Amino acid sequence: AQSVTQPDIHITVSEGASLELRCNYSYGATPYLFWYVQSPGQGLQLLLKYFSGDTLVQGIKGFEAEFKRSQSSFNLRKPSVHWSDAAEYFCGLGQNFVFGPGTRLSVLP
Amino acid sequence: GAVVSQHPSWVICKSGTSVKIECRSLDFQATTMFWYRQFPKQSLMLMATSNEGSKATYEQGVEKDKFLINHASLTLSTLTVTSAHPEDSSFYICSARDPNRAGGGYTFGSGTRLTVV
Repeated sequence: AQSVTQPDIHITVSEGASLELRCNYSYGATPYLFWYVQSPGQGLQLLLKYFSGDTLVQGIKGFEAEFKRSQSSFNLRKPSVHWSDAAEYFCGLGQNFVFGPGTRLSVLP
Repeated sequence: GAVVSQHPSWVICKSGTSVKIECRSLDFQATTMFWYRQFPKQSLMLMATSNEGSKATYEQGVEKDKFLINHASLTLSTLTVTSAHPEDSSFYICSARDPNRAGGGYTFGSGTRLTVV
């Protein structure tokens, strides 16, 4: 079965701190993986995607994600969080478009 | 909780006909729903934001007369692809926000794969 899990429903970090959002997937072949961000009242915005090649993917807004096949993971990272990063983040499996449940990020000043 | 039902899950239609896709929030009221489409090996593209009781807000480049969106109640939004053509073949997915759900509250439908022949 194809599935995406995001273990953390809500994460709070201080501005300037580093961030890692977890994503695990279940898929029988090489997955297409995405990370999206959704700000309140807005639609999804693509942060980055992995199809093949380099397992460390760079995205917009200073985000990066690393595909680890052995761990079935695609965790999103940012070295220094800004207050404007507060939003909800979704990991997605691209073949049949399965979304994770989302992780809400709050940023403390 | 927080289930969004999308129907049909797949549909094949003839060129020139219209197809209606339904997005229902089953156990919560959604004042706002989003409609997306995805082309093969591409990311989702936001088509429009559907607001209950008012006109939808379409993204730039999306033809509002071709993709009719109606959000007549707090639990139902519909997307009608009018006079469908093969280039409209795509995967369409909706999402709705449950304000009572932990986190941001967005839940996605299972998607509709449209094939126009």
